[in-house]
Amino acid sequence: AQSVTQLGSHVSVSEGALVLLRCNYSSSVPPYLFWYVQYPNQGLQLLLKYTSAATLVKGINGFEAEFKKSETSFHLTKPSAHMSDAAEYFCAVGERGGFKTIFGAGTRLFVKA
Amino acid sequence: NAGVTQTPKFQVLKTGQSMTLQCAQDMNHNSMYWYRQDPGMGLRLIYYSASEGTTDKGEVPNGYNVSRLNKREFSLRLESAAPSQTSVYFCASSEAGTLTYGYTFGSGTRLTVV
Repeated sequence: AQSVTQLGSHVSVSEGALVLLRCNYSSSVPPYLFWYVQYPNQGLQLLLKYTSAATLVKGINGFEAEFKKSETSFHLTKPSAHMSDAAEYFCAVGERGGFKTIFGAGTRLFVKA
Repeated sequence: NAGVTQTPKFQVLKTGQSMTLQCAQDMNHNSMYWYRQDPGMGLRLIYYSASEGTTDKGEVPNGYNVSRLNKREFSLRLESAAPSQTSVYFCASSEAGTLTYGYTFGSGTRLTVV
């Protein structure tokens, strides 16, 4: 069975500081991995995805994530936080060849001025 | 290009009432999904439809039914609403048979059962 663990339900950073949101996954087969972002009162938007090409994946809004098989991790980073990055972020693992996606509990990012 | 459209956006029900949440997508996607979002629990899959004419249970199907009306539309029905079904419901769609493109989500339905 697949599962996703996001470390930290809340993360607070100062504007301009590094953003690091942690995600570890469990999967018996090579997974598809995703990060989604949810702004208040909106649906989720795909930020980036890993599907077995490059292990360093670049997404929208300057975010990137690195797939590390040995650590079963897929942490999300951004070099310099902006106020507009304040949102909830979800890591997700998908069934390769399947239809279902399992979501983590989410990490809410706060950005301080 | 509307993407995934959900109706209604908000709903208040009394315990025992029934209602149907509607979802439609205009991207010619084959697969559609219903998730519920609760604080601290992320999104949990209720039901999904891999393709037109098929539906399958997800993690939390009890108390819900679904209908894949055609390729565009996938509805979620609560036959007898309970307070435990108070949640935000999201519909999503994706390419068939693969998740390489991820999901496209609707904007959600906020349901309160009193």
